[in-house]
Parts: sequence; structure tokens; C-alpha cells
Amino acid sequence: SYVLTQPPSVSVAPGQTARITCGGNNIGSKSVHWYQQKPGQAPVLVVYDDSDRPSGIPERFSGSNSGNTATLTISRVEAGDEADYYCQVWDSSSDHPFVVFGGGTKLTVL
Amino acid sequence: EVQLVESGGGLVQPGGSLKLSCAASGFTFSGSAMHWVRQASGKGLEWVGRIRSKANSYATAYAASVKGRFTISRDDSKNTAYLQMNSLKTEDTAVYYCTRLYITMDAFDIWGQGTMVTVSS
Repeated sequence: SYVLTQPPSVSVAPGQTARITCGGNNIGSKSVHWYQQKPGQAPVLVVYDDSDRPSGIPERFSGSNSGNTATLTISRVEAGDEADYYCQVWDSSSDHPFVVFGGGTKLTVL
Repeated sequence: EVQLVESGGGLVQPGGSLKLSCAASGFTFSGSAMHWVRQASGKGLEWVGRIRSKANSYATAYAASVKGRFTISRDDSKNTAYLQMNSLKTEDTAVYYCTRLYITMDAFDIWGQGTMVTVSS
């Protein structure tokens, strides 16, 4: 089965740029989606198809995907961005496409 | 308002059964594929399974960890999806979320608030 690897934690000062990676074998050939989850809340989609933003998501959130690594970039980080972030792809290696999530990255705003 | 509301969670003994519901409103439920995702306390997201729309024959698929024990169904007349969980194990303890797959994005754009399932003796 397909495995996505995320760093457990990333720390950044307010106003700086946070980069959260998601590693996978040839992940650049897949579409990557990113979700933000704050404590006690359901996940929220923040980036889909590698780099698109749903309506209502600030432009500070962006994404890229190439080779074996996808990256979620959060510019001008704010205290309210502190959350867990998960990447997600579809694994089409079997008869039925399966959903795969990364292990999650806790973003701490210093 | 677009929303999903889960219900039916609770405490159940190992080997027992529980049925969760996911009531949808504010969007065309009948045309949407619905998925279930769970999250054990302090852990990451784990996909449980999905059911497609009538146009796709209500096809279901499940994660290996629940296949043969869990069954997903839906009632489009009630705008509700269900997760029937049988032969429950302690490792099934988690918050269970239902979520809609938005086909244009191929991503999950609407999530419920989750319902807690605790499997313990």
C-alpha cells in the first residue's frame, strides 16, 4: 500500500513562512490534498489538487508537488494557523482506489 | 446551510455492534459519494470506507482493517449515510467522521463534527 510520510512537528515564528512536507514514492504523479485540523474540531480542506485553494481559504496557504515530495506552504503565519495538518492522496494500485492520509504534522506558532 | 451531522456513537463492549448515522443537508446528497474517516485519540486520520451514489451503483469499498466487519449504506430519501459496525474491537475506539467527496476537487470538502465510539469492557 502507498505510504505518506510527514514530519511530526514544525515550528515557526509569527509572520514567518511554514513549510510542511509530505513524502511518497513518485508523489508528483498524484494529486495531493491538505487538511487543517484544530483541537477538538473536524478537518478542513485548505489545499486540493496540489495547489488550489477552496473558497474562503486565505492566499497565504499554497501548495506544490514534484518528485517524491509535496509541500504545503503557509506564508505570514498567524497564531490561528496552529493546528495539525494532513496530506492525502488516492492509492489506485488496487481494484478500488483507496484514500491514504499522511501521519500528520503539528504546526506550532512560537 | 451545508452540513453533516453524525450520531449514534457510544460505549460498546468488544464483540458488540453499533450503527452510526450521518445526516446531510444543504447539498445534493443523492449525487455525492460519502466516506467515513476515523481518528483515535491523539492519532492521525484513518480512512474507513465509502459508498458511491446511485449513478455509480452504490458501490462500497473498505479499509483492510474493517473489511468484513463494517458495512456502509445510505438512504437517499432521508439524506443519510450509515456505518454499521460489527465484531467491534478495542482498536476501533475513535472519533468517526463522515465526509463528502467533492468530485470536482476529488477531495473531502464537507465534514461532520464526529461521533465518539468507545469499545471497552
